[in-house]
Amino acid sequence: GAGVSQSPSNKVTEKGKDVELRCDPISGHTALYWYRQRLGQGLEFLIYFQGNSAPDKSGLPSDRFSAERTGESVSTLTIQRTQQEDSAVYLCASSLLAGRTDTQYFGPGTRLTVL
Amino acid sequence: DAKTTQPNSMESNEEEPVHLPCNHSTISGTDYIHWYRQLPSQGPEYVIHGLTSNVNNRMASLAIAEDRKSSTLILHRATLRDAAVYYCTLRAGNNRKLIWGLGTSLAVNP
Repeated sequence: GAGVSQSPSNKVTEKGKDVELRCDPISGHTALYWYRQRLGQGLEFLIYFQGNSAPDKSGLPSDRFSAERTGESVSTLTIQRTQQEDSAVYLCASSLLAGRTDTQYFGPGTRLTVL
Repeated sequence: DAKTTQPNSMESNEEEPVHLPCNHSTISGTDYIHWYRQLPSQGPEYVIHGLTSNVNNRMASLAIAEDRKSSTLILHRATLRDAAVYYCTLRAGNNRKLIWGLGTSLAVNP
């Protein structure tokens, strides 16, 4: 079946512009996660959605970052007034539930470059 | 949050076993140990997970120390396609987040 998809695959923007990154999770997966991965680094948790519960936003680095999810489908990560330090690969993952044993399935990521 | 520590890089020869270590000395009793790997220019993919007992699946084996302060991912016969960054992560009981370290970059020589 289809995996997690993300768009665009690459995004180049100018400092100060807003960007929107999209994630389509696996159908039926109730949990959705956003991560950021800087060059040569591990993954940094940003935000987590689980069904209709309030999202866990504890990883968002500043109020320039926000994310929405419509039901148990598409999610959008928005970065306002982008800065050069926002340059990174943004990864989305989904899992069937959000239990301790649940496997996260990752998309290919969106590579964001802020000039 | 508990942390994981892994060697920065390791090297193996094709068709030989590989043992990838991970230290997680601050692990709590309900934390699951998950391993993911990331091939170049791809998102991470799940490899294996465990709590206390050793685990086997078609990709690898996971050996967990009796005190749970360390674990070892075992690839029984490395192939060139196993060249990737391997991440040892912890999934806490009440925490939905996976705690990611810097991972081990595995090179496989033909």
